[in-house]
Amino acid sequence: DAKTTQPNSMESNEEEPVHLPCNHSTISGTDYIHWYRQLPSQGPEYVIHGLTSNVNNRMASLAIAEDRKSSTLILHRATLRDAAVYYCILSIVKTSYDKVIFGPGTSLSVIP
Amino acid sequence: DAGITQSPRHKVTETGTPVTLRCHQTENHRYMYWYRQDPGHGLRLIHYSYGVKDTDKGEVSDGYSVSRSKTEDFLLTLESATSSQTSVYFCAITNSGETGELFFGEGSRLTVL
Repeated sequence: DAKTTQPNSMESNEEEPVHLPCNHSTISGTDYIHWYRQLPSQGPEYVIHGLTSNVNNRMASLAIAEDRKSSTLILHRATLRDAAVYYCILSIVKTSYDKVIFGPGTSLSVIP
Repeated sequence: DAGITQSPRHKVTETGTPVTLRCHQTENHRYMYWYRQDPGHGLRLIHYSYGVKDTDKGEVSDGYSVSRSKTEDFLLTLESATSSQTSVYFCAITNSGETGELFFGEGSRLTVL
């Protein structure tokens, strides 16, 4: 099963952009890249997903490397509310999540 | 927000007692999952269901059983709770549609003394 690796922790200043990296060197051609985040004392919430092209939504942007072996979640202006654990996972969208592995993620701290 | 609720939200029990956690959804989603979360381990899949009466094991299923007799409810049972099962348990649902988005409940904190 394809796995992802992320830095354990990162820091950012408030109102500055944040780039959260994820490596997935064993990704298969049918794997989608998903990002979730978990605020303190809450369940994880969906952030964004993509397959090959870069993606934007109201929460963030996802930049996917041309060889798809890595990706970067971009928060354009970090706020205090963005302090959370961010998980990068791989899944086949059209099937269930039984093969999805949630690693420890990246704990993002935002400094006022 | 997806209609997913977990009960109880907090429970303290003693070693050797049975415990059942309930996940209830109002979204009619096909897939339901139980995860546990412990410091340093991220989320680990315990069991999942891909339909009524259809369940399978995840990566940390020992000591747990599940049942799904109707679409909206997925029960996680600890037949004889142990201290190593002290954890926060999350239920999640998805319909594996276009986005494959997982919706999580708010978690159930279980303490086994």
